[in-house]
Order: sequence, then C-alpha cells, then structure tokens
Amino acid sequence: RKEVEQDPGPFNVPEGATVAFNCTYSNSASQSFFWYRQDCRKEPKLLMSVYSSGNEDGRFTAQLNRASQYISLLIRDSKLSDSATYLCVVNIVVYGAGSYQLTFGKGTKLSVIP
Amino acid sequence: DADVTQTPRNRITKTGKRIMLECSQTKGHDRMYWYRQDPGLGLRLIYYSFDVKDINKGEISDGYSVSRQAQAKFSLSLESAIPNQTALYFCATSDPRTSGITNEQFFGPGTRLTVL
Repeated sequence: RKEVEQDPGPFNVPEGATVAFNCTYSNSASQSFFWYRQDCRKEPKLLMSVYSSGNEDGRFTAQLNRASQYISLLIRDSKLSDSATYLCVVNIVVYGAGSYQLTFGKGTKLSVIP
Repeated sequence: DADVTQTPRNRITKTGKRIMLECSQTKGHDRMYWYRQDPGLGLRLIYYSFDVKDINKGEISDGYSVSRQAQAKFSLSLESAIPNQTALYFCATSDPRTSGITNEQFFGPGTRLTVL
C-alpha cells in the first residue's frame, strides 16, 4: 500500500464550481500534513498546512481526520488560475534524530474550464 | 532572483555518460534534497543532506551520488546514465529553525533530463 494515496484525476470543472480532493495516508506516525500546488512543468509550492481543527485560506479549506488517516482540500468558486496539480504531502518526524521527511502523493490534476 | 537555482535546466545525454546536476541556494538553509519526478509516480526522494558533513540516502538512491560542497551547493551525479533515469529532477531546501515541524520545502525550477 502506498504511503500517500490520491485520486489522480483529472478533475475537469467549470469556473465557479466547488471541487474536493481527498487523500489517505498509511503511516499513523505521520505528524503534519500539507497541500502543495504544482503548475505544469513548474516546481511544487506549499499551498497550505492541514490541521485537525481545519484550516481555511480564502476559497481553500483543508481538513484532517487523524482517526481515518484522511486529508481533504476543498476549493470553492474555482478560478481558471486554480488549474494545476495538487499534491498531498505528509511529514513524518523522527524525534531524537532531528529528522523530518516529506512523503508526496502522486497528485490530483485539476483543470478549470471557462 | 530565484532563491533555489538548478543547472542545467534541460539536458539530453546518451546511455553510459556521466552527468552532474547542480543546485545552489541563497536562502541560507542547512537542509537540501534531491527528488525525481516521473509521470504517474510523483516525487521520490533520492538523497538529502542536513548540513555540509551529512549525506543520507533517500528512497531511490541506486545509480546516483551526491556532493555537498558547501551550505549553498548540493550536486547530484549520475555516474553512468541509463534511459530509465529520464525524469524531471528537483532540488529543494528547508530550515526547521524557521519552518519548525512543517518542514516546508522550497523547490528549484527543476532539470529535465533525457537519457537516450
């Protein structure tokens, strides 16, 4: 079983639509969670962190369910500029070793259509 | 100016050739990483370094080596390139002193490598 699994999509949605992405992770020792955004042929960039209490940033809402080992990203009122691949990322912290490693999902591709 | 730069941006080479990909950063971060990205496989960690004297293997280190010449420089070498090393390679940096547990990573623009 892959450590971080996402629906690869593509998700093709009209402008103004609401779209949700899901992600599951297998390592219960995972400590922190993120969504990164990657535009075509560009580098990934941090979009937002994900907390158990939920995290909202404008049109974007991220949520974490530790019991189910499940992460979500909701985009409301989709814009053309939201077209990108969204990567679910999990951080596993090894205390004592001072080690942090990010594990990336394969990404979910979103195309927002005029 | 970009904080994390990679050279070259594109490279086409032949099987058996030695290739070096270079990464430089002006962010002052101690931690640096090399990833490769393949369609359908996502980002996979090749090597990482937490400071100049520290080198660690990642998930897929076979066929690769690295050198941390200075805090700001981390190079990736393919001693004898093979076609299945054709991929998009990213360098990244992080600094837990500023990012804490999030370990936010900052990526370079990538190097597209094709091995014929």
